[in-house]
Amino acid sequence: DAGITQSPRHKVTETGTPVTLRCHQTENHRYMYWYRQDPGHGLRLIHYSYGVKDTDKGEVSDGYSVSRSKTEDFLLTLESATSSQTSVYFCAISAGQGDTQYFGPGTRLTVL
Amino acid sequence: AQTVTQSQPEMSVQEAETVTLSCTYDTSESDYYLFWYKQPPSRQMILVIRQEAYKQQNATENRFSVNFQKAAKSFSLKISDSQLGDAAMYFCAYRSAFSGGGADGLTFGKGTHLIIQP
Repeated sequence: DAGITQSPRHKVTETGTPVTLRCHQTENHRYMYWYRQDPGHGLRLIHYSYGVKDTDKGEVSDGYSVSRSKTEDFLLTLESATSSQTSVYFCAISAGQGDTQYFGPGTRLTVL
Repeated sequence: AQTVTQSQPEMSVQEAETVTLSCTYDTSESDYYLFWYKQPPSRQMILVIRQEAYKQQNATENRFSVNFQKAAKSFSLKISDSQLGDAAMYFCAYRSAFSGGGADGLTFGKGTHLIIQP
């Protein structure tokens, strides 16, 4: 299994509070991704990174920001959480552009 | 933008039988990658099989094989000798061979829930 961890694994928070999710990898892969999974939607790309300090938006980036200050960590921040951001969040990594993406265990976030 | 469609929300098969899960996609690109991922109740996303569009040969991984029809934009997954451990959600996914503008990410279908009857 690819060395990917996500923290926290579960979080309950209130509307309007900031939330940061962390993805950590031990594979030294260049690419990292954040997806969200909602019933009836499959997984959708939020943001991704193609190197340290290099990031780009995905399909559902509104309300989210990311940062990558070192190869192994990719942070997803909800500046002011809303109930519509209740979801399961997955981090993924890949070595190169066309390489297979491997997923972390997911974080279940509930915004009350 | 690319789209991926899985028309079977749920499928059921008897243990040891063969089942085929359907996936179609829409793209104007000629070079891309296709994947099947499995998500058991543990929620972990597990790669099942990968196909490069430029390869005509269908990918196989043990009991799992695909029928890749590029002209028809179809990418079905066949599971032979179904086992209880195959019960899961199965997601078909597309990835462009190009980069930038979100193209590096995967586009997923909505999934097929596979039930294995003992």
